[in-house]
Amino acid sequence: QSVLTQPPSASGTPGQRVTISCSGSSSNIGNNYVYWYQQLPGTAPKLLIYRNNQRPSGVPDRFSGSKSGTSASLAISGLRSEDEVDYYCAAWDDSLSGVVFGGGTKLTVL
Amino acid sequence: QVQLQESGPGLVKPSETLSLTCTVSGGSISGYFWSWIRQPPGKGLEWIGYIHYSGSTNYNPSLKSRVTISLDTSKNQFSLELSSVTAADTAMYYCARRPAGDFAIFDYWGQGTLVTVSS
Repeated sequence: QSVLTQPPSASGTPGQRVTISCSGSSSNIGNNYVYWYQQLPGTAPKLLIYRNNQRPSGVPDRFSGSKSGTSASLAISGLRSEDEVDYYCAAWDDSLSGVVFGGGTKLTVL
Repeated sequence: QVQLQESGPGLVKPSETLSLTCTVSGGSISGYFWSWIRQPPGKGLEWIGYIHYSGSTNYNPSLKSRVTISLDTSKNQFSLELSSVTAADTAMYYCARRPAGDFAIFDYWGQGTLVTVSS
């Protein structure tokens, strides 16, 4: 059972906009930054969003992040077939004094 | 370009100690936190802990009694030891770099190494 809650799956059609949610509590998302990672099959995760809504260099602006209260969302616009991978949210948890991850969301492009 | 590479045995017997090393190239260990993260087959990510270049450590409370992370600055390496392993410790183990100032940001990752716990 992950500390941060994500839907196990999400889907959309090419060109569509999809969002993936990440729910936490006041000890993690509510009081700290949220990060998003993208993981292609058989590879290490890659940083996609940091500090709630910042994109590292090289990440397309089709990817955006937001946070409200104890929840966060990753939005992907102009959906492409190559977006069909796994996405994880992460945050620092003050109560655990450690990093917590969501369980991951597998995105399907229909 | 910073690169991280994990190394160590791919098979560990139950009750023994898992030992892995991460070699950092293309950059210095100084100024960063160096982390271990694992992923059981078909499952999500779990943070194990990290070590600051100064030597201070922080571990996942659920693993703290069994984990030791150490640093060898002369070799630009850091290591993971996980004692008393069971089948539940079977996972892909990743090393990653965490810049100072952001607690859950991992900007460079190794390719990962699969460790299986089995007799």
